[in-house]
Amino acid sequence: DQQVKQNSPSLSVQEGRISILNCDYTNSMFDYFLWYKKYPAEGPTFLISISSIKDKNEDGRFTVFLNKSAKHLSLHIVPSQPGDSAVYFCSNNNDMRFGAGTRLTVKP
Amino acid sequence: DAGITQSPRHKVTETGTPVTLRCHQTENHRYMYWYRQDPGHGLRLIHYSYGVKDTDKGEVSDGYSVSRSKTEDFLLTLESATSSQTSVYFCAISPGNEKLFFGSGTQLSVL
Repeated sequence: DQQVKQNSPSLSVQEGRISILNCDYTNSMFDYFLWYKKYPAEGPTFLISISSIKDKNEDGRFTVFLNKSAKHLSLHIVPSQPGDSAVYFCSNNNDMRFGAGTRLTVKP
Repeated sequence: DAGITQSPRHKVTETGTPVTLRCHQTENHRYMYWYRQDPGHGLRLIHYSYGVKDTDKGEVSDGYSVSRSKTEDFLLTLESATSSQTSVYFCAISPGNEKLFFGSGTQLSVL
């Protein structure tokens, strides 16, 4: 039973536009949500996180929003760049499980 | 890669043979994890360790065992490899219940 779910396997956006990646969760007791980025033939790397007591966390071009009532979080990348093309995973720090990932392609 | 080394990087083996993957860290982190990555499934947790000789099962532990006799080493063993265990395996470490640092992965093919 997946505790975090990413329902969009892929997303394609134009360079300079906003990318929005979504993640839903089932357990309202999670403390932290984390986003990781993965390039081909490399291990995932940590991107940004958000505490369950906050509704927004921003780091440069990356912002994560948390909607606790909907049990939903989203990662916004603006402006998107071709180097952002990767697979993005959401996770939580309680059971360390991951969603299935969303492959983002940013077209020049 | 935050002081994490996975070995081997690539392995091809035959069905029914035992296989051991090694994860070595130089960070002295308490927590170590093994994941497998498969298309459509993302990263799935196999086993994890919260200290020397302290391990527990993840969501896809059947067919796998682990051992951690030293802080720096976490071994994943496939007792009798099957084709369904063909995958990319990632080791991860963490000092606490927080963000993970991943190794570069092991591509395992079971023929």
